[in-house]
Amino acid sequence: DTAVSQTPKYLVTQMGNDKSIKCEQNLGHDTMYWYKQDSKKFLKIMFSYNNKELIINETVPNRFSPKSPDKAHLNLHINSLELGDSAVYFCASTTGRLKGETQYFGPGTRLLVL
Amino acid sequence: GENVEQHPSTLSVQEGDSAVIKCTYSDSASNYFPWYKQELGKRPQLIIDIRSNVGEKKDQRIAVTLNKTAKHFSLHITETQPEDSAVYFCAASINYQLIWGAGTKLIIKP
Repeated sequence: DTAVSQTPKYLVTQMGNDKSIKCEQNLGHDTMYWYKQDSKKFLKIMFSYNNKELIINETVPNRFSPKSPDKAHLNLHINSLELGDSAVYFCASTTGRLKGETQYFGPGTRLLVL
Repeated sequence: GENVEQHPSTLSVQEGDSAVIKCTYSDSASNYFPWYKQELGKRPQLIIDIRSNVGEKKDQRIAVTLNKTAKHFSLHITETQPEDSAVYFCAASINYQLIWGAGTKLIIKP
């Protein structure tokens, strides 16, 4: 009974390709996030959606485009993949957006661009 | 904007000893301070959190203290065990997001 799930778990692809990562949460949360974690382990927020509305859009190349078809899903599409995109991408969700609440993370998608 | 600094970046302690990780934040409007543990190859998971109206919180071997005046908070792990080896992240909540520290790699020596 997975709370936050991501697919695929591993993604190996060539430079220049386009790929998508999917995230789903069954917790009934309103807010979802995408994080990038590089080899130095730093967690960098990329996007956040609240009830399908984009509320955080950090300085991320426009090759990255999030899409939220409903509040339980937040997908990430990446165009023209580059070597520097290699990282672990985590999806997370939370119930509150202003007070500060626990974020629940998905298992991560390990992206390797060759 | 909010900035969170975390120290040390690596901490090596003998099994059974205590470990302390410290974080400072810059925005006094931050009101929620969680700590996450990330084991190798796994996702970050919440281990303890504290809100700005509380000075200390304890859960078995882990505790968190918050000093709002000085804008710093700390994670304390007592009687460390091998399974405590992981990367630990602090964070501070502001507006819609958590601002994360850079992480501390905790190594428990047998």
